[in-house]
Amino acid sequence: GENVEQHPSTLSVQEGDSAVIKCTYSDSASNYFPWYKQELGKGPQLIIDIRSNVGEKKDQRIAVTLNKTAKHFSLHITETQPEDSAVYFCASKAAGNKLTFGGGTRVLVKP
Amino acid sequence: EADIYQTPRYLVIGTGKKITLECSQTMGHDKMYWYQQDPGMELHLIHYSYGVNSTEKGDLSSESTVSRIRTEHFPLTLESARPSHTSQYLCASSVSGDGYTFGSGTRLTVV
Repeated sequence: GENVEQHPSTLSVQEGDSAVIKCTYSDSASNYFPWYKQELGKGPQLIIDIRSNVGEKKDQRIAVTLNKTAKHFSLHITETQPEDSAVYFCASKAAGNKLTFGGGTRVLVKP
Repeated sequence: EADIYQTPRYLVIGTGKKITLECSQTMGHDKMYWYQQDPGMELHLIHYSYGVNSTEKGDLSSESTVSRIRTEHFPLTLESARPSHTSQYLCASSVSGDGYTFGSGTRLTVV
């Protein structure tokens, strides 16, 4: 089955700096790649997603890039703010299958 | 605002008790999922359903059971709670199997 590796497991950045989280997947048939943000005491919330026919997608300060050849995708957060502190999960999915989640990255933005 | 609700939010219960964690969604989603989240953050799929009267076991073996008698309701039951069942339980739903909507979770402590 699909395997998703996520790195780093923890990430500490200074407010205003950029944060990058990387994920690799194993199933070349995967075609959907969402990112979730989980704040303390809440469930994960979808923040951005990308499909395999697109190389990059942006939404304000967050962007996701996909390299299908290398089977990896990344989340980029620019101009980080304290409210960006949370746990982030990547996931991948092949058609008809369930999402497979990465292990999570705990992001701390220091003021 | 997510339209998926989990109750209770917190539950402390004694060993051997039977418990049911409730999950309801008002979005008419056919697909629903239960995840167990350990303190290390990882999300482990324990049950899923693709529609009424359809339930399947997930990737992580669990002593819990689920039922899906109505589209909007997907309760999880533990017949005899044990300390090893202490965890955070997250319910999610999806219309297409892509973007999941998560509830806020139930934090279960078995003493």
